[in-house]
Amino acid sequence: DFVLTQSPDSLAVSLGERATINCRSSQSVFYRSNKKNYLAWYQQKPGQPPKLLFYWASTRESGVPDRFSASGSATDFTLTISSLQAEDVAVYYCQQYYDTPRLTFGGGTKVEIK
Amino acid sequence: EVQLLESGGDLVQPGGSLRLSCAASGLTFSSTAMSWVRQAPGKGPEWVSGISGSGDNTHYADSVKGRFTISRDNSKNTLYLQMNGLRVEDTAIYYCAKDKFSLATFDSWGQGTLVTVSS
Repeated sequence: DFVLTQSPDSLAVSLGERATINCRSSQSVFYRSNKKNYLAWYQQKPGQPPKLLFYWASTRESGVPDRFSASGSATDFTLTISSLQAEDVAVYYCQQYYDTPRLTFGGGTKVEIK
Repeated sequence: EVQLLESGGDLVQPGGSLRLSCAASGLTFSSTAMSWVRQAPGKGPEWVSGISGSGDNTHYADSVKGRFTISRDNSKNTLYLQMNGLRVEDTAIYYCAKDKFSLATFDSWGQGTLVTVSS
C-alpha cells in the first residue's frame, strides 16, 4: 500500500509569512514513461469539502492563487504558501493516484494563524 | 458550474443498509468518471468507490468491497452508492466527487451527506 506521511501535523504561521507542508510517500509516485508525479494537493476549510489545489505534483488548478506553489518528485513533495492570508486557514492533504484505483490521502496538516 | 448534491445519509444500526444519491448538473455526466469519497470525524479523506462514465467499470476500496455497490443513471444525471452490511467504522461524511481524470484526482465535490452507524 502507498502510505503518505505529512509533516508537520499542524503549524501556526504569522500573516504574510511562509508556510511549508511536506508529504512523503512510502513508494515513488513518479511514472518514468510520461515523467509525471502522480500526486495532488487539496485544501479543506472547516465545514467544507476538500478543494483541489495541484495535480501532477505541481500543476496549479484553475483559480488557485499564485501564492500557493507545489514541488517535489518521486517520494518527497512540498506545498508552500508564500505569504499566508487569513483565508488560507485550513487542513491541507496530499493524495497519490499512482496506485490507482487504490487512491490514498495523507493524514493532513492543519495551518493556523500565529 | 458543476454542482453535486448528495442525499440519503441517515442514522442506521450495524448490519443495516442505506442508499446514497448524488444529483449532478453543469457537466456532461455520461462522459465523466465519478467517485465516492468519505471522511470520518476528525480524519482525512478516504476514497471509497469509483465508476466510469458509461458505468461499465467500477472499483472499490478493500474496506468496502463486497458490501457497497456504486452505480449511475446517466439519463437522470445521478450517481448512487448502495451500502449493505454497514459497520460502525463506516460512519463518515460521504462526498460525491467528479474525477478530473479517471480514478485519479477530484476537481469538484458535493457538500456531503452524513452516515452514522450506531446501535
